[in-house]
Amino acid sequence: GQNIDQPTEMTATEGAIVQINCTYQTSGFNGLFWYQQHAGEAPTFLSYNVLDGLEEKGRFSSFLSRSKGYSYLLLKELQMKDSASYLCAVRGNTDKLIFGTGTRLQVFP
Amino acid sequence: ETGVTQTPRHLVMGMTNKKSLKCEQHLGHNAMYWYKQSAKKPLELMFVYNFKEQTENNSVPSRFSPECPNSSHLFLHLHTLQPEDSALYLCASSQVSQWVQDSGNTIYFGEGSWLTVV
Repeated sequence: GQNIDQPTEMTATEGAIVQINCTYQTSGFNGLFWYQQHAGEAPTFLSYNVLDGLEEKGRFSSFLSRSKGYSYLLLKELQMKDSASYLCAVRGNTDKLIFGTGTRLQVFP
Repeated sequence: ETGVTQTPRHLVMGMTNKKSLKCEQHLGHNAMYWYKQSAKKPLELMFVYNFKEQTENNSVPSRFSPECPNSSHLFLHLHTLQPEDSALYLCASSQVSQWVQDSGNTIYFGEGSWLTVV
C-alpha cells in the first residue's frame, strides 16, 4: 500500500527551530512536496525535493533521503504566523500526489 | 491571490438540491484537479483533467460530476449529496511537463469551497 506518516501536532516557541518529519512508502517516487495550510485557507506550496539532500529557502529548509523514505521540513526563527498545518505529499509512479494527514504546528510567544 | 479562484467559498445545501462549484485558473496550466479535504483525513484526489480530458476518477460516487469545458475552467456538479460529503473541496492546477524533475508538476490550490450538506 501507499502511506505517508507525519506527526499530528507539534508545538514550539517563537524564535526557536522546529523539524517536522515525514516518512513515506509509495509505489515509485517522482518527488516530495511540502505545503503550508493556514486554517480556512488554501494549501500553499513551500518546497519540492526529488534528489537526496537539503533544499534551503530562507527560513525554511527541506531534506530528502530516498533510500530511507524520509523527509523533514525545518523551520528556523519561528514566528507566530508560522502556526499552520504542514502537509507532506509524495508523487509516485502514477503521477498522483499522495498526501499525509498534515502536522498542525502551534507557535507560542 | 493564488492564481486559482473558486466560487462559492461557502455553500449549504439540502440532500435533494443540485448545485455546482466553479473553479478558474489564471496560471496558464494544462491540468486541473478536484480534491476533498475532511477533518483529520489526508487530502483525497477526486478528479484529474489533463488537456481538458478526464484522466483520473478516483472511485468517486456518481453524485459528484465534474466538467471541464476548457483548460482554465473546472466545475463540480453536486446532486443528492449525503451529510458525510460535507467537507472542504479544493480545486488545483499544474503545468504537466515531460520534464517532471524540473518542477515536479507542482500543484497550486485554490482557496476552497466549504460545503455543508444538511
